[in-house]
Amino acid sequence: SYVVTQPPSVSVAPGQTARITCGGNNIGSKSVHWYQQKPGQAPVLVVYDDSDRPSGIPERFSGSNSGNTATLTISRVEAGDEADYYCQVWDSSSDHPGVFGGGTKLTVL
Amino acid sequence: EVQLVESGGGLVKPGGSLRLSCAASGFTFRTYNMNWVRQAPGKGLEWVSSISSSSFIYYADSVKGRFTISRDNAKNSLYLQMNSLRAEDTAVYYCARDRGPYDIVTGASDYWGLGTLVTVSS
Repeated sequence: SYVVTQPPSVSVAPGQTARITCGGNNIGSKSVHWYQQKPGQAPVLVVYDDSDRPSGIPERFSGSNSGNTATLTISRVEAGDEADYYCQVWDSSSDHPGVFGGGTKLTVL
Repeated sequence: EVQLVESGGGLVKPGGSLRLSCAASGFTFRTYNMNWVRQAPGKGLEWVSSISSSSFIYYADSVKGRFTISRDNAKNSLYLQMNSLRAEDTAVYYCARDRGPYDIVTGASDYWGLGTLVTVSS
């Protein structure tokens, strides 16, 4: 089965840029979605189809996907961005197309 | 306002069965693809199953042959029949709307319910 790898944690100071990676074999050929989850809450979609943002998501959240790595970039990080972030890879050519990464805890210092 | 409300969770013994329901409102349910995603206590998200608007179905390897996803467009409802339950199926189960166009499931879930807890234990 397809394996997706995320770093367990990323730390960043307020106002700086956070980059969270999602690794997988030839992930650039698949669609990647990103979710933010705060404690006790349901996940929120922040980026879909590699780099698109749902309405209501700040422009500070952006995504890219190429080669073996997809990246979620959060610019001008705020305290309220502290959360767990999950990437999800969707491989439409597979019988089992949906795979989540293990999640990354973003800590705002 | 889009709302998704899961129900049917609870405590069940290993080998038992449970049927989860998800009541949808605030959008034209029959035209949307839908997803089930679960999260074990203290763990990450796991995609479980998806169903397109025309009922094309996908399952994760971990549940294929044991779980069955279905929908009733007349009742604006999504279901997950879970059989042969195992301890590792213990999780909060979320119902989520897929933002894919027409009959194309993308996995991108733009609206989520609050989840229902399933505990498999003797």
